[in-house]
Amino acid sequence: GQQLNQSPQSMFIQEGEDVSMNCTSSSIFNTWLWYKQDPGEGPVLLIALYKAGELTSNGRLTAQFGITRKDSFLNISASIPSDVGIYFCAGKSGGYQKVTFGTGTKLQVIP
Amino acid sequence: EAGVTQSPTHLIKTRGQQATLRCSPISGHTSVYWYQQALGLGLQFLLWYDEGEERNRGNFPPRFSGRQFPNYSSELNVNALELEDSALYLCASSLSGGSYEQYFGPGTRLTVT
Repeated sequence: GQQLNQSPQSMFIQEGEDVSMNCTSSSIFNTWLWYKQDPGEGPVLLIALYKAGELTSNGRLTAQFGITRKDSFLNISASIPSDVGIYFCAGKSGGYQKVTFGTGTKLQVIP
Repeated sequence: EAGVTQSPTHLIKTRGQQATLRCSPISGHTSVYWYQQALGLGLQFLLWYDEGEERNRGNFPPRFSGRQFPNYSSELNVNALELEDSALYLCASSLSGGSYEQYFGPGTRLTVT
């Protein structure tokens, strides 16, 4: 089955630093999604990507749909304490194929 | 606009019992998805309902089942509960067809003792 490898697993950064994380798949996806989850809550959709090479921003967040359609990247600029949480990538092939979630990147921001 | 709602927030059951979890999708959404998230782990896909039909199923035993009602709300039933069923159960909804982004509810924390 499809697998998503997300890296890094966790990271500690200083407030104000930029953050990069990525996801790679063994299969091609038609849609890439990025979510953030706070402790004890459901994931919140941050960015959706629909086309290979697409670069989309949402405030300080920027995500890219890899050209090979097997990877995606998320960057957070000028991190702030409320960026703390777990970030999940998710990929979908199309039709009634299920969404596959990555294993998550736990982000800790040191004030 | 109201988001995805789930009930109950917390549920405590003993091994062997049955649990029923409920989900109401965002108005206008006809697809409902269920995920299991064990502590510290990622989301594992359970079930997907669209327009009242089961569209896809994850790699879970048959004691995990569900249904979708005509108003598109959904129930997840877990029979013969086992200790390892303890997890956060998340429901998400999307527009029909499965091609759209999913929006999650706050989850139901199920504890099996």
